Amino acid sequence: GAVVSQHPSWVICKSGTSVKIECRSLDFQATTMFWYRQFPKQSLMLMATSNEGSKATYEQGVEKDKFLINHASLTLSTLTVTSAHPEDSSFYICSATPSGYNEQFFGPGTRLTVL
Amino acid sequence: GENVEQHPSTLSVQEGDSAVIKCTYSDSASNYFPWYKQELGKGPQLIIDIRSNVGEKKDQRIAVTLNKTAKHFSLHITETQPEDSAVYFCAASTHNTNAGKSTFGDGTTLTVKP
Repeated sequence: GAVVSQHPSWVICKSGTSVKIECRSLDFQATTMFWYRQFPKQSLMLMATSNEGSKATYEQGVEKDKFLINHASLTLSTLTVTSAHPEDSSFYICSATPSGYNEQFFGPGTRLTVL
Repeated sequence: GENVEQHPSTLSVQEGDSAVIKCTYSDSASNYFPWYKQELGKGPQLIIDIRSNVGEKKDQRIAVTLNKTAKHFSLHITETQPEDSAVYFCAASTHNTNAGKSTFGDGTTLTVKP
């Protein structure tokens, strides 16, 4: 149990385009999902906390208009990188927390490369 | 806010030896401490966790100890195997606040030599 999927697993796009990444909890409901960004050989950097049915809470320094988060259901959250630029290239990882628990279960990550 | 420090940043051991990774945290309100294993190109995987009302927890070759007074917790891997090679992250969070938002350590790259 506690499986989280992400789609796509990797994406290459041109500068200026928008990219949507989906995060799904497959066998549990998650009122809270988290979005992270990870640079090579570094730790996970929390970008935002996504709560079902409400606006996401962004960490300091993360542009909410650039990284749009939608958590429309208890099993799906999406991250849209708008007007992507090469500096947005990174490994994006989501995690989901079952309702009432602390455990975070991570997705496999999405490798974004912006040309 | 919470600050988590993790040591060492790299660790190399011979197969069959034990490996120990240590973390310290700053917020005495933290009460949930998970450990994650991340293999190259994959998302982190929860391998063991401990809550503040427990001093030690063991799962086969993996154990975690917690010292609340000193605010530190450690991951112990015994009889290491090459497949244990990965990056390990510790984290700390406060149950029922911030919806489980965790603060992560910087990671330890463990290499197990055959």
